Amino acid sequence: DTEVTQTPKHLVMGMTNKKSLKCEQHMGHRAMYWYKQKAKKPPELMFVYSYEKLSINESVPSRFSPECPNSSLLNLHLHALQPEDSALYLCASSHGTAGELFFGEGSRLTVL
Amino acid sequence: AQSVSQHNHHVILSEAASLELGCNYSYGGTVNLFWYVQYPGQHLQLLLKYFSGDPLVKGIKGFEAEFIKSKFSFNLRKPSVQWSDTAEYFCAGRDSGGYQKVTFGTGTKLQVIP
Repeated sequence: DTEVTQTPKHLVMGMTNKKSLKCEQHMGHRAMYWYKQKAKKPPELMFVYSYEKLSINESVPSRFSPECPNSSLLNLHLHALQPEDSALYLCASSHGTAGELFFGEGSRLTVL
Repeated sequence: AQSVSQHNHHVILSEAASLELGCNYSYGGTVNLFWYVQYPGQHLQLLLKYFSGDPLVKGIKGFEAEFIKSKFSFNLRKPSVQWSDTAEYFCAGRDSGGYQKVTFGTGTKLQVIP
């Protein structure tokens, strides 16, 4: 079991839908991350939050909108996605920005 | 670009065989290096990490890795694999100069045959 909880585990959405992915950790970590993983590929960094402020955006399209309401929660708001955005979205956290990453089980997104 | 690379994409071993998976990095300064494992249907788990100090790092489940600065390498080893080691293994790294980006290698799929 992982201490980083992601919901939902599976999500199917149409290209006009608006949905959100949620991530929660209670380890007191102050850095949180969103990664995207396509099948048979490594995780690719999307966003990094440090102390609840967005510190890295890896040129992610604006149809993905991250939010960090507090130090324990991280959301990824999805709007007008494309079928090629279908992937496993992984949340991770670390004690600081120099520590190892702790990953959630991911949210598997399918865009129809 | 700063990165890590893995050369073995798919490795098939029999149980009790020894394992070595290659990882090279291209960071120029001080680095943090990691090996993660992803068992089928499970989340990424940290096997071991190198930040500084002893270049031979021991991790969980009998895995170890050696940081060789002169070769820019951080290879993963296990003397005797088990069927339960079947998984995808990712090398990852970070430039420790305050930058937060952890980059993953392409991964190695290990299949252990009973």
